[in-house]
Amino acid sequence: EVQLVESGGGLIQPGGSLRLSCAASGFSVTNNYMNWVRQAPGKGLEWVSFLHSGGRTYYADSVKGRFTISRDNSKNTVYLQMNSLRAGDTAVYYCARDEPYCSMTSCDVYAFDIWGQGTVVTVSS
Amino acid sequence: DIQMTQSPSSLSASIGDRVTITCRASQSISSYLNWYQQKPGKVPKLLIYAASGLQSGVPSRFSGSGSGTDFTLTISSLQPEDFATYYCQQSYSSPRTFGQGTKVGI
Repeated sequence: EVQLVESGGGLIQPGGSLRLSCAASGFSVTNNYMNWVRQAPGKGLEWVSFLHSGGRTYYADSVKGRFTISRDNSKNTVYLQMNSLRAGDTAVYYCARDEPYCSMTSCDVYAFDIWGQGTVVTVSS
Repeated sequence: DIQMTQSPSSLSASIGDRVTITCRASQSISSYLNWYQQKPGKVPKLLIYAASGLQSGVPSRFSGSGSGTDFTLTISSLQPEDFATYYCQQSYSSPRTFGQGTKVGI
């Protein structure tokens, strides 16, 4: 079964660090694009970070310089290292697989087809 | 960054109604537009990819259309399980921005 399972969330004080894990099964994170998306309480979805199969990474401006996405191929797991946490980082964090789909003209329209169940991060003193 | 604006932010509808949600991009994104459904306390689910492609397992009452900057998600006959929040998302460029969501309620 293709699935993603996140872990590592919790209550952390402002300025602290957490590392989230996203364990994949049924497919290889090495060969897929992977993302982290978050959702603050009562708010909408916010894309956070992207990891290309070739290793390139991208970040939302709100987390750039503080968060780092990475993967461990041997564990088939993607990570999100979160440093200098702020109250505004409080959210449910989802990892999501990026899958290519075809439009009328090309086959490079990526969409998040598989999502984990989410892990809750609360930044508070 | 590309801004995605959905309208309305919320709507009330009845079972059997035809429901239309609009998503506008701040610049042309061709067909690089996806729609997701999220029920309260649940994980988002991909409904429509590439503006009009129906994700496997999604009922045919859901459809998407549009290209360039203006897109539409249509539910042809609203069912009880369709009460949820719907998000559009562009995959044209990073950051992969979402719309603010449209809550479909009774």
